Amino acid sequence: SQQGEEDPQALSIQEGENATMNCSYKTSINNLQWYRQNSGRGLVHLILIRSNEREKHSGRLRVTLDTSKKSSSLLITASRAADTASYFCATDDTGGFKTIFGAGTRLFVKA
Amino acid sequence: DAGVIQSPRHEVTEMGQEVTLRCKPISGHDYLFWYRQTMMRGLELLIYFNNNVPIDDSGMPEDRFSAKMPNASFSTLKIQPSEPRDSAVYFCASSFGGIRQFFGPGTRLTVL
Repeated sequence: SQQGEEDPQALSIQEGENATMNCSYKTSINNLQWYRQNSGRGLVHLILIRSNEREKHSGRLRVTLDTSKKSSSLLITASRAADTASYFCATDDTGGFKTIFGAGTRLFVKA
Repeated sequence: DAGVIQSPRHEVTEMGQEVTLRCKPISGHDYLFWYRQTMMRGLELLIYFNNNVPIDDSGMPEDRFSAKMPNASFSTLKIQPSEPRDSAVYFCASSFGGIRQFFGPGTRLTVL
């Protein structure tokens, strides 16, 4: 089954630096989403990019999608300690709403 | 809106016991999803409903697991009998339209 796979698995940066996380998937998709999960909490939706879009921005977030390479990246600019969390990409198959989440990237932002 | 509500937040039970997890989706949402999260397997979709009807239950691990949605404001996930390998955090999520999902806080299940 298709699955987003994030890389790196873990990332540690200083506050103010940019953080880039990558996601690869296996089959055709309608949409790709990024979610954040703080420790011990549920996931929170960050941004959605459709298969016919190449780039999307939301505040300090920038997402790109390359359907030819079946990959996406999430860039968080000017990171803050509060950005410390796990980040997941999620894809849905073209036939429905079965959502597949990747293994996630654990981001640690040092103050 | 209160968001997605799950109960209980923590459940500790012994192997062989029945476990029932509960979820109240956001009012007006027409999709409801049940997930399981473990360190080894990550976040797995178990089943999802559209307008209270189960659409895809291919992620339900085995017959010990069952899910129901008797109305638009309530769903249950039942495990009978429970086993230690069922220990995980179970999330419920709801959505309007099926794409952007709103997650509950999760139920941490420990089966001894």
